[in-house]
Amino acid sequence: EAGVTQFPSHSVIEKGQTVTLRCDPISGHDNLYWYRRVMGKEIKFLLHFVKESKQDESGMPNNRFLAERTGGTYSTLKVQPAELEDSGVYFCASSQTLRPLLSHEQYFGPGTRLTVT
Amino acid sequence: GESVGLHLPTLSVQEGDNSIINCAYSNSASDYFIWYKQESGKGPQFIIDIRSNMDKRQGQRVTVLLNKTVKHLSLQIAATQPGDSAVYFCAESRKTSYDKVIFGPGTSLSVIP
Repeated sequence: EAGVTQFPSHSVIEKGQTVTLRCDPISGHDNLYWYRRVMGKEIKFLLHFVKESKQDESGMPNNRFLAERTGGTYSTLKVQPAELEDSGVYFCASSQTLRPLLSHEQYFGPGTRLTVT
Repeated sequence: GESVGLHLPTLSVQEGDNSIINCAYSNSASDYFIWYKQESGKGPQFIIDIRSNMDKRQGQRVTVLLNKTVKHLSLQIAATQPGDSAVYFCAESRKTSYDKVIFGPGTSLSVIP
């Protein structure tokens, strides 16, 4: 079974430009999460999709970040315009919806390293 | 607010020895804890989890201990191997939902051959 994939693996852009990150979750996983790790700090939650709906977007830093999951499959995270402090590694994770919830295992992708210069 | 933190940022262990990685949390309402391992160039990988109604759980070469009285979590790795070298994160989530995971800052484990 293929794991969570993310594209691109690296992206270097200039301040003010736009970047779109993509995440393909494990097939059949309704839950999709975006996290990021900036400046060596903790990995921080950004938002959570259940299928195509945003369940929790409390971690989105500001309105320069836009996440979508049209059709409930893959997701994109757009940063427009990018700022220097957006540099970091952006992780995507997915999980199944199990009833009852016995274990909440999120499967993480390898991440996209974003560098804003 | 909620926070999950690690006592030590780095840990060096001789191959074959046991490793102990510690973690503290501050949210008394936390009821589900996870340990992740992150190798270079990869995303966090689930190792083991534990619910708040337990104080110990064992996996293959790993044991997680939970002390709710002092809000402390630890990961023990038996017979540490070079392949165990990685950054280890403790994390908290809510077992009753598919909620976000709150990560600690991570401990870098280096295994000395």
